[in-house]
Amino acid sequence: SYELTQPPSLSVSPGQTARITCSGDVLPDHYAYWYQQRPGQAPVLLIYKDSERPSGIPGRFSGTNSGTTVTLTITGVQAEDEGDYYCQAPDTSGTYWMFGGGTKLTVL
Amino acid sequence: QVQLQESGPRLVQPLQALPLTCTVSGDSITSGDYYWAWIRKPAGKGLEWIGHVYRSGTFIDNPSLEGRVTLSIDTSKNQFSLDLRYVTAADTATYYCARGAIYFDYWTGNTSDGAFDLWGPGTMVTVSP
Repeated sequence: SYELTQPPSLSVSPGQTARITCSGDVLPDHYAYWYQQRPGQAPVLLIYKDSERPSGIPGRFSGTNSGTTVTLTITGVQAEDEGDYYCQAPDTSGTYWMFGGGTKLTVL
Repeated sequence: QVQLQESGPRLVQPLQALPLTCTVSGDSITSGDYYWAWIRKPAGKGLEWIGHVYRSGTFIDNPSLEGRVTLSIDTSKNQFSLDLRYVTAADTATYYCARGAIYFDYWTGNTSDGAFDLWGPGTMVTVSP
């Protein structure tokens, strides 16, 4: 079981906006992070500290925190955005890392 | 350009140990504010954090692995390693090494562990007789 809850799947058409949520009791107290994993590839960091974007990550990726839920938004989804998305946060003690169960994004 | 590369056995016998090494190239493993982590992904399942090690050699591991994990760092070789003991079929997965950023809060003077900002390509390990 996961203490960070994500929807298992999401389907969107190209050009639409995808919103992937991650819920957990730790999120009001700790930063969340988001990763993208395309098939056969290693994960890539998309968002850190809830809403910061590393250099090289396209501006269509953004993150927000609204208490016990953090949201990854992909504005103007492209075919290359298809893959699995994971949120990450520490546990309640702040010592151990947790990942959400992952959300499979399908671009129709 | 910093790169990470996992190495180790692809097939391990049940109840044996799984040793994996991550080699860091392009910069010293001691430069910058980073810690070094292992994460795995069983086929069809999600990511699982295994543990991470600091340049001091101190490490933290996932309690769900019940003490089977030892992490170490060899700064002279620019490598860090994972030793997972008493493996079973449940340990079959793709194993990734990753670099974690350490954040510094200038207001409080405190540091905190942050995102995994660089990953190796991963190595698939199967546990089977």
